Amino acid sequence: DTGVSQDPRHKITKRGQNVTFRCDPISEHNRLYWYRQTLGQGPEFLTYFQNEAQLEKSRLLSDRFSAERPKGSFSTLEIQRTEQGDSAMYLCASSSRRGKGNTEAFFGQGTRLTVV
Amino acid sequence: QKEVEQDPGPLSVPEGAIVSLNCTYSNSAFQYFMWYRQYSRKGPELLMYTYSSGNKEDGRFTAQVDKSSKYISLFIRDSQPSDSATYLCAMSINRDDKIIFGKGTRLHILP
Repeated sequence: DTGVSQDPRHKITKRGQNVTFRCDPISEHNRLYWYRQTLGQGPEFLTYFQNEAQLEKSRLLSDRFSAERPKGSFSTLEIQRTEQGDSAMYLCASSSRRGKGNTEAFFGQGTRLTVV
Repeated sequence: QKEVEQDPGPLSVPEGAIVSLNCTYSNSAFQYFMWYRQYSRKGPELLMYTYSSGNKEDGRFTAQVDKSSKYISLFIRDSQPSDSATYLCAMSINRDDKIIFGKGTRLHILP
């Protein structure tokens, strides 16, 4: 158990529907990352936050995707008007930037999205 | 050219053998190098990390980084069937920057 919690673990949705995923990072970790992983590929970076500020977004994150971390704790990733190509595992990770005590990124178990 | 190249395998070796996994990369700014293990339908689990060039050992696992060649390796000694998983190399410029992953190598340890 890495301590990063993601919900739901699995989501099946019809094309065109909106979906929202939640990530609860390790307590007091101030960096939170979202990745997407498709079959046979490594995780691909989507976006990351330091506290509530979204610091970087990948060009993979189209306008249909939005991520928030309103209070610097949990984060949500929303996909609007889902497409079959959005089917993937969505992974969340967290790390802590504390000067000399920086920690590496620890991942959650992921949310597996299937768009039918 | 992708930033991080990793042979996807699969790689099958008999139990007890030494396993060698490796990656090459193109961005010389990478300073932090990691190996993650991922079981089917699970999230990646951090195995090893190293900073800059050098070796690091943890139990049966040894990670090596050669920045001059832009080449990293993971060695697993006395391999066990429970080591069967996908191994992802990963790297970043700073310790808590975004991580860039390889495709992962599927490893099968045969009993």
